[in-house]
Amino acid sequence: GAGVSQSPRYKVAKRGQDVALRCDPISGHVSLFWYQQALGQGPEFLTYFQNEAQLDKSGLPSDRFFAERPEGSVSTLKIQRTQQEDSAVYLCASSQKGTSSTDTQYFGPGTRLTVL
Amino acid sequence: DQQVKQNSPSLSVQEGRISILNCDYTNSMFDYFLWYKKYPAEGPTFLISISSIKDKNEDGRFTVFLNKSAKHLSLHIVPSQPGDSAVYFCAASALGNQFYFGTGTSLTVIP
Repeated sequence: GAGVSQSPRYKVAKRGQDVALRCDPISGHVSLFWYQQALGQGPEFLTYFQNEAQLDKSGLPSDRFFAERPEGSVSTLKIQRTQQEDSAVYLCASSQKGTSSTDTQYFGPGTRLTVL
Repeated sequence: DQQVKQNSPSLSVQEGRISILNCDYTNSMFDYFLWYKKYPAEGPTFLISISSIKDKNEDGRFTVFLNKSAKHLSLHIVPSQPGDSAVYFCAASALGNQFYFGTGTSLTVIP
């Protein structure tokens, strides 16, 4: 398909486990974003890549969260030593251009993470 | 600190009538605003956007109005259809790429 894809769609982890969430952006899109959406809330920004460069990681809630996009396409969000408060839907979005506030972001379906 | 607010968590409208969804923001530096629509178990889907240099943008049944002095935007859907039933998020950005989202309004269009 031509849209943003994410895997897995659902992930259940025991507290303390490490998880890795994958995002495949739209082909050719320069920018990639990760958001966290808690139940009943809107998406909250985590981090942003332009190609392989991570330009903004101000939204990452702790040093347990790490994101990478080594070849400027697929991205992985890793959460170490998961805690119950990490339970949320993690959304990935991509946009065509680089730094531009008028560029629309296209979202994937999200990964629902549940930490027991 | 919620910079984008949607104060109505839900809205019900009769099919064929107008749906009006509202959004308020606090940051006067925001220069780009969007509405996203979200169905259950899916990611948000882009619906319509507006730049701060405009006060209205129309796309088919969807119109977004921006009132910069009031820091308020609204989405009008007319006529409303049952397939419009979803959660609607407004989002804003300021000279950068980080989008700030509201908490969403769940719209139900009654056939």
